[in-house]
Amino acid sequence: EAGVAQSPRYKIIEKRQSVAFWCNPISGHATLYWYQQILGQGPKLLIQFQNNGVVDDSQLPKDRFSAERLKGVDSTLKIQPAKLEDSAVYLCASSPNFNTEAFFGQGTRLTVV
Amino acid sequence: GQQVMQIPQYQHVQEGEDFTTYCNSSTTLSNIQWYKQRPGGHPVFLIQLVKSGEVKKQKRLTFQFGEAKKNSSLHITATQTTDVGTYFCAGIPRNYGQNFVFGPGTRLSVLP
Repeated sequence: EAGVAQSPRYKIIEKRQSVAFWCNPISGHATLYWYQQILGQGPKLLIQFQNNGVVDDSQLPKDRFSAERLKGVDSTLKIQPAKLEDSAVYLCASSPNFNTEAFFGQGTRLTVV
Repeated sequence: GQQVMQIPQYQHVQEGEDFTTYCNSSTTLSNIQWYKQRPGGHPVFLIQLVKSGEVKKQKRLTFQFGEAKKNSSLHITATQTTDVGTYFCAGIPRNYGQNFVFGPGTRLSVLP
């Protein structure tokens, strides 16, 4: 079974630039999550999708972050414009159903300089 | 504020020693999950506990959910170098929505 695929693995951008991350969840998984993990901390949920609908985006900084899951399969997370404090690993995860075991991708390490 | 807390933040043990990490919340947790993240890796699911007082074992790992469902623990017997990593608990605090909130993790180092 293929795991959660994310790209790119690494990204370095200057502040105020924009960046996009892509995630392809495990086939058949209805729930997709985007997490932000700052070095030395636990993952923090940014947004959760159930199929192509948003379940929870309460911690998504909507003035600069946006996410979509077209057709209920793969998803993109965008940051525009980036700030220095956005430097983190962005993890995508999927699960078969709501709040069951989550399978994480390798993550995208973002450095904003 | 921090909904889910973990102690200790770091633990260094000699190979063969036991290790325990504790997860605590000020409110009741409906479910709790445990994940392991190797250095440079991504979180990998270990287990989910649902019932008050539940105890589950996976080889050398023992997971426990407190009677009041406000705390949980992960105990590793006779640590090995392969146990190195950060262990996260994630719980759903009552009145905090429907999603798992991750604790800050306990980083385990095992000296050979």
